[in-house]
Amino acid sequence: DSGVTQTPKHLITATGQRVTLRCSPRSGDLSVYWYQQSLDQGLQFLIQYYNGEERAKGNILERFSAQQFPDLHSELNLSSLELGDSALYFCASSASGGGLNEQFFGPGTRLTVL
Amino acid sequence: DQQVKQNSPSLSVQEGRISILNCDYTNSMFDYFLWYKKYPAEGPTFLISISSIKDKNEDGRFTVFLNKSAKHLSLHIVPSQPGDSAVYFCAASGSNDYKLSFGAGTTVTVRA
Repeated sequence: DSGVTQTPKHLITATGQRVTLRCSPRSGDLSVYWYQQSLDQGLQFLIQYYNGEERAKGNILERFSAQQFPDLHSELNLSSLELGDSALYFCASSASGGGLNEQFFGPGTRLTVL
Repeated sequence: DQQVKQNSPSLSVQEGRISILNCDYTNSMFDYFLWYKKYPAEGPTFLISISSIKDKNEDGRFTVFLNKSAKHLSLHIVPSQPGDSAVYFCAASGSNDYKLSFGAGTTVTVRA
């Protein structure tokens, strides 16, 4: 158990809908990262928050947004969903905002868009 | 643009033998490299890391080798055990780049 929690585990929805994925980092970790893993591919970095502020952005679509709250949990909002958004979404946390810190991953949310 | 590449999608090895997983990278700004292990329906689990100031790091049965001039790293697992059957991801980051760039993964199967 990494100490990172994600809810829900599974989400099935229809095209055009909006969903929210939630992540709670390990106790004491200030950084939260979101990654997307599509079928048979590696993890693609979406966005990072550090202590409530956006720190880095990757290949995140404009239809996607995220935020980190004062209690350090984070939410990833996906809107106007398309079939191609079906994927595993992982949240990770680390103690600091960068440098030589390994990231600890949650179990992921599997999103299926029908 | 795939900056971290794992060119072998799968590897099959007999129990007790050595597993060697390879990873190549293109970004010369990367200075921290990690290996993660992933079981089905679970998130990736950190396995071992190495910074660019070293060329080898060992932790029990796992050793990571880094060849900076070739932009290549490898993970050795000795001896391989059935519980090592999983997908292994190579990842890299720079000290000024907080995200991890991942390879596509190598599925390791350890045969009894």
